Amino acid sequence: AQSVAQPEDQVNVAEGNPLTVKCTYSVSGNPYLFWYVQYPNRGLQFLLKYITGDNLVKGSYGFEAEFNKSQTSFHLKKPSALVSDSALYFCAVRAISGNTPLVFGKGTRLSVIA
Amino acid sequence: DAGVIQSPRHEVTEMGQEVTLRCKPISGHNSLFWYRQTMMRGLELLIYFNNNVPIDDSGMPEDRFSAKMPNASFSTLKIQPSEPRDSAVYFCASTSGGRSTGELFFGEGSRLTVL
Repeated sequence: AQSVAQPEDQVNVAEGNPLTVKCTYSVSGNPYLFWYVQYPNRGLQFLLKYITGDNLVKGSYGFEAEFNKSQTSFHLKKPSALVSDSALYFCAVRAISGNTPLVFGKGTRLSVIA
Repeated sequence: DAGVIQSPRHEVTEMGQEVTLRCKPISGHNSLFWYRQTMMRGLELLIYFNNNVPIDDSGMPEDRFSAKMPNASFSTLKIQPSEPRDSAVYFCASTSGGRSTGELFFGEGSRLTVL
C-alpha cells in the first residue's frame, strides 16, 4: 500500500528565511513523487515532481525538493520565502509499476510572515 | 489550453435535495478522479475512472453518492438526497494515464453547502 506522511500541520517562517515542508512516503518499489500547492479557493496546482535521475528537483516559483531514498523522504524547500508562498502544500506518491492513482498527504499549511 | 472545468463553482442547497456536480476533463486525458476536501478529513479520493470505466469507488461514502462518465469529455457526481455533512469542496482531476507519471490536473472545485 502507498502512503504519505506530512508530519507538520502548520509551518511558520519569516519572509526571506529558508523554508522546508516535510514529506515521507511508503511505496512498494520505486516512486513517482509530487508536490502540489493550493491557494485559497483554488484547486491544487502542480509544483514539481521526481521521476528519476537527479535527486534534487527544481520546480515552479523557486521551489525545489530533494529525493532521499534511504530516508524515504521528499522534502520541499525554498531558499528565501515570500509572503505570497503562504498556502496549503500537498505531497503525493505513486508507485512506478502498476497504474495506481496518486496518494496524497493531509497537507501542510505554510504561513510566511512579513 | 483549457484546464479541467467544473460546474457549478458554488452550490447552496437544502437538506434532502439532489445535487449534481459536473466535470469536463482535459481533452486527451483518459483518467478522471473525483475528490472531496474538508477541514476535518483533508483530501479524499471518492472514485476514479479509466477510459470512462469506474475503477475504484471504494471512497464513495454512501449509496447517496453516485458518479458517471458517459463519455471521455464529461463526468457527473450526484448526491441524492444531500445532507449537511456533505458540505465540502469537490474537486475533479484528470491525467493522461497509461505510461504517464500520473501527474494530476485539478479543476477549481465546486463548493457545496447543504443547509
